[in-house]
Amino acid sequence: GDSVTQMEGPVTLSEEAFLTINCTYTATGYPSLFWYVQYPGEGLQLLLKATKADDKGSNKGFEATYRKETTSFHLEKGSVQVSDSAVYFCALTRSGNTGKLIFGQGTTLQVKP
Amino acid sequence: EAGVAQSPRYKIIEKRQSVAFWCNPISGHATLYWYQQILGQGPKLLIQFQNNGVVDDSQLPKDRFSAERLKGVDSTLKIQPAKLEDSAVYLCASSLGQTGTTQETQYFGPGTRLLVL
Repeated sequence: GDSVTQMEGPVTLSEEAFLTINCTYTATGYPSLFWYVQYPGEGLQLLLKATKADDKGSNKGFEATYRKETTSFHLEKGSVQVSDSAVYFCALTRSGNTGKLIFGQGTTLQVKP
Repeated sequence: EAGVAQSPRYKIIEKRQSVAFWCNPISGHATLYWYQQILGQGPKLLIQFQNNGVVDDSQLPKDRFSAERLKGVDSTLKIQPAKLEDSAVYLCASSLGQTGTTQETQYFGPGTRLLVL
C-alpha cells in the first residue's frame, strides 16, 4: 500500500545552519505531496505542496522538489531559525483516492541559538 | 476566518469508559476528516465525511468507534468502550471541495489529547 518514510529525528541544528529532512514515498499513480508542520502546542499546518513531478513547493524559506525518479520530496531550508523548531510531517494523497492524507512518522527539528 | 474548532482539548478516562469528541469545521467546508495520532507516529485517517455522508471509514475500529455528521456541519467522534491503546491525539481536519480533489489543502484543528488509564 501507499506509504511515506521520513528520516529519523530529532534533528538538532544551530541557528543559520542548512536543513535537509529526507522523505521518500511509495504510491501507485501520481500522488500529490505535502509537508505539514506542527509547532509546539499548535495544530498541523500546511507548509508547502507539489502536485506533479518536478514541481517545487516553497514557503517561508522552505523548499521541496517532487522527484518522481527517486520517489522523494526532501525538505530544505538554507538558514534555520530558532522559531523553526517543530515537528515536520511529509504526506501524500493519491490520485483516484478520496483525498485522505497518508503521513510519515514525523521528524522533530530543534534549532539552538 | 475562524479555524477548525475542537473540544475538549484534553481528556483523561479509565479503560472501558466512553468518551466523545466534537469538531466544528471551517464554515463552508464540505469535507471533514478525523485522524488518530499516536505518540511518535504520523496521523492516520479514521473516517472521512463528504457533507453528511461517509466517504471512507475503512480504518475505523467499528466495534468501539463511531462518528456522525448529521447536518453536514459539525461532527462527533465517540469511543465506547475505550482501551489503553486508544491513548492518542484525535485531530479533526476540513477541506473546501469535492471528494477526490487530492490537491486540496486540509486545515487541522488543535486536536484532543486522550489518555486512557
